[in-house]
Amino acid sequence: AQSVTQLDSQVPVFEEAPVELRCNYSSSVSVYLFWYVQYPNQGLQLLLKYLSGSTLVKGINGFEAEFNKSQTSFHLRKPSVHISDTAEYFCAVTYYNQGGKLIFGQGTELSVKP
Amino acid sequence: DAGVIQSPRHEVTEMGQEVTLRCKPISGHNSLFWYRQTMMRGLELLIYFNNNVPIDDSGMPEDRFSAKMPNASFSTLKIQPSEPRDSAVYFCASAGPTNSYNEQFFGPGTRLTVL
Repeated sequence: AQSVTQLDSQVPVFEEAPVELRCNYSSSVSVYLFWYVQYPNQGLQLLLKYLSGSTLVKGINGFEAEFNKSQTSFHLRKPSVHISDTAEYFCAVTYYNQGGKLIFGQGTELSVKP
Repeated sequence: DAGVIQSPRHEVTEMGQEVTLRCKPISGHNSLFWYRQTMMRGLELLIYFNNNVPIDDSGMPEDRFSAKMPNASFSTLKIQPSEPRDSAVYFCASAGPTNSYNEQFFGPGTRLTVL
């Protein structure tokens, strides 16, 4: 079965430090990858997506992610985090001919401390 | 653009009662998704529609759950009868036309508590 694994359920980090949130997916067929962010008591918002082309994808709020087909990974990174980045982050995947159906990981709670 | 609109934002009901959650997708979007989010199970896709037609309802937990999309601008998710284990945040999302890889835009969610 197709699946997405986010390897860390919680990531505490100090303000201005770099952060990496890890994501692995199960299939190597044509895949489209997304990172969403959920702030407290809100819906999910798209951070970035990989559909094709350059494997390094830049998103909003200074985040970027790198698609690695050989390792079936799509890790999210930010060189310097802010308190306002505190939120839950979800990795998601869809596959060709899935009608846009997303499979989400379990989420990673990023907690940025002063 | 008002985004995806969900109502109510909060619902508290007693076990056995019928609950109806409502969603208005973004105008022009032709795909609509219903999700449930809980601490234990994370974010689960319940059902999705394309051009008002249910495409995949394999995530609907049981017959107590039903969803309809009578037109392109409205969808409902109904639970009858409700049970305490249905307590969760229910999200509706919509996506635009033309291909399968468009961004899904999420509504703010409905927080359901079944006592």
